[in-house]
Amino acid sequence: QVQLVEYGGGVVQPGKSLRLSCEASGFSFSLYGFHWVRQAPGKGLEWVANIWFDGTTKHYVDSVKGRFTISRDNSKQTVDLQMDSLRVEDTAVYYCARGMEDAFDIWGQGTTVIVSS
Amino acid sequence: DIQMTQSPSTLSASVGDRVNITCRASENIIRWLAWYQQKPGRAPKFLIHKASILESGVPSRFSGSGSGTEFTLTISSLQPDDFATYYCQHYNGYPYSFGQGTKLDI
Repeated sequence: QVQLVEYGGGVVQPGKSLRLSCEASGFSFSLYGFHWVRQAPGKGLEWVANIWFDGTTKHYVDSVKGRFTISRDNSKQTVDLQMDSLRVEDTAVYYCARGMEDAFDIWGQGTTVIVSS
Repeated sequence: DIQMTQSPSTLSASVGDRVNITCRASENIIRWLAWYQQKPGRAPKFLIHKASILESGVPSRFSGSGSGTEFTLTISSLQPDDFATYYCQHYNGYPYSFGQGTKLDI
């Protein structure tokens, strides 16, 4: 079935790095763009980054520019989010979502990132 | 950046009620707006795109309307499964953003 599964969350100290991965199955991965969306504890949704279907174009929310990098591997059907220089305020559940004309039609179950000393 | 504002933040209603949730954009987003439903501990669920197009499988009691800067999500007759938090999201240029959410409770 069509699904996205995120991996890689955990507890990390401020200033350290973490790499999230999103594995897709059940559809033609290379035809779609993908997004990362996060939700801090008890808060609303925040769009973080996206990557186009061919990997040529990427966008980021200002708060993560220069620290986070989104990438994809069409052969492995994965989308990654490399998170460097993590801050306490990056603590959140991170969701991977498929872009359908850039609304988010399929979501993963989320992976939790906790940045704490 | 485009700001999205939902109202109300919290809405108390009963089964069978008709409810409206409003989403306002800080500038014209044409019809590039989506709605999502989220239940506690769960990922958001995609409901509507392009302001009014219902995703396949979403019950017809859900509908969306509006264009430009003002949009509405309507649930025509609330069912027990509908009590959740609802978010609007624009996708008219980066950065995309969500409204702050509307919690619909009993």
